[in-house]
Amino acid sequence: QKEVEQNSGPLSVPEGAIASLNCTYSDRGSQSFFWYRQYSGKSPELIMFIYSNGDKEDGRFTAQLNKASQYVSLLIRDSQPSDSATYLCAVNRDSGYALNFGKGTSLLVTP
Amino acid sequence: DVKVTQSSRYLVKRTGEKVFLECVQDMDHENMFWYRQDPGLGLRLIYFSYDVKMKEKGDIPEGYSVSREKKERFSLILESASTNQTSMYLCASTLIAGGNNEQFFGPGTRLTVL
Repeated sequence: QKEVEQNSGPLSVPEGAIASLNCTYSDRGSQSFFWYRQYSGKSPELIMFIYSNGDKEDGRFTAQLNKASQYVSLLIRDSQPSDSATYLCAVNRDSGYALNFGKGTSLLVTP
Repeated sequence: DVKVTQSSRYLVKRTGEKVFLECVQDMDHENMFWYRQDPGLGLRLIYFSYDVKMKEKGDIPEGYSVSREKKERFSLILESASTNQTSMYLCASTLIAGGNNEQFFGPGTRLTVL
């Protein structure tokens, strides 16, 4: 079973700060990496995906991928209380289109 | 917008009952998935399907079966429900385009087995 590891948190940051969420994965052959946000009682929704080493920015969100270190992260700039949620890291499985999910990191942004 | 719908948001069943969870997507996606989500265990893949009448076991298929008779519909079947199958069940679908296999999730079904 390929592993996707995340710190469960909770990670608490003040409003306006940068939140940094981290994820490591065990399958060196993984090609696609996803960050999902899940509010309590709701289903996951995609924030970003990344395939290439380096950074990918979308608004206040930046995904960072380092395949050599098998590490992917999500930075949230100018954090807002509405960003409080669980963030799930997902990595493609070697069987094609299915994903392995981490257990998620709980983020709390305090006013 | 992609829409994935699930037949029930909440369901209560008795031990030993046969349970059907239905999932429908409206975007002609080839791939569909069933997960269960439990506190501390995260999302775990039960079954998935690449095409009509095709199915693949995920990580925890025991006690479950699936059916995909039409492209838009993927059903999860609990042959004889047990209390340890009390969980949140999430269906997802994906269209592979340019290597992006983003999964779109339905709203989930919270199943309680008494």
